[in-house]
Amino acid sequence: EPEVTQTPSHQVTQMGQEVILRCVPISNHLYFYWYRQILGQKVEFLVSFYNNEISEKSEIFDDQFSVERPDGSNFTLKIRSTKLEDSAMYFCASRDDGNTIYFGEGSWLTVV
Amino acid sequence: ELKVEQNPLFLSMQEGKNYTIYCNYSTTSDRLYWYRQDPGKSLESLFVLLSNGAVKQEGRLMASLDTKARLSTLHITAAVHDLSATYFCAVDKGNTGNQFYFGTGTSLTVIP
Repeated sequence: EPEVTQTPSHQVTQMGQEVILRCVPISNHLYFYWYRQILGQKVEFLVSFYNNEISEKSEIFDDQFSVERPDGSNFTLKIRSTKLEDSAMYFCASRDDGNTIYFGEGSWLTVV
Repeated sequence: ELKVEQNPLFLSMQEGKNYTIYCNYSTTSDRLYWYRQDPGKSLESLFVLLSNGAVKQEGRLMASLDTKARLSTLHITAAVHDLSATYFCAVDKGNTGNQFYFGTGTSLTVIP
């Protein structure tokens, strides 16, 4: 069954460093998303992406964050200068024209 | 600010019992989703509810949506241990499928 794949599964980085989280959405999907979940808390929307541009973003998605679809398969989330509070599980998700969003396994980011 | 609240936050129930998880939300939306999350894992789609009065059932779980009351329920029938997980409802802000607001989650433990 097709799935959303994410790398790395876990990354530890020093505060102030740049981090890139990578995602390969399901191949025929058109809409792409990043969500995050701080440990023990609810899942929070960051950004949605369609037709090579951001369609919606939340207040969390400030200038420190950016997304890119550099080729036909990858979808990346970059955090320019990480802060301690960026430590979370980051989920990539995608959907086709239907209503179900499929989530990847997540990338644990620990900022120390 | 859109609020999505689940009740209860924690639920411990014995096998064979029935229980209902409630999801209240504060905005007008015709779309509501239920997801399951096992510890350290991704979000698994359970139900997609797309209109007022929608009811869907899968195994021991049944979800319903009342858009007028801004309420969705997830009913568990004759619980089994395998249902132990955290359950999230998510509201589709704007009915576009592009921005989900997740509830606080209900951590369910089914005791043998």
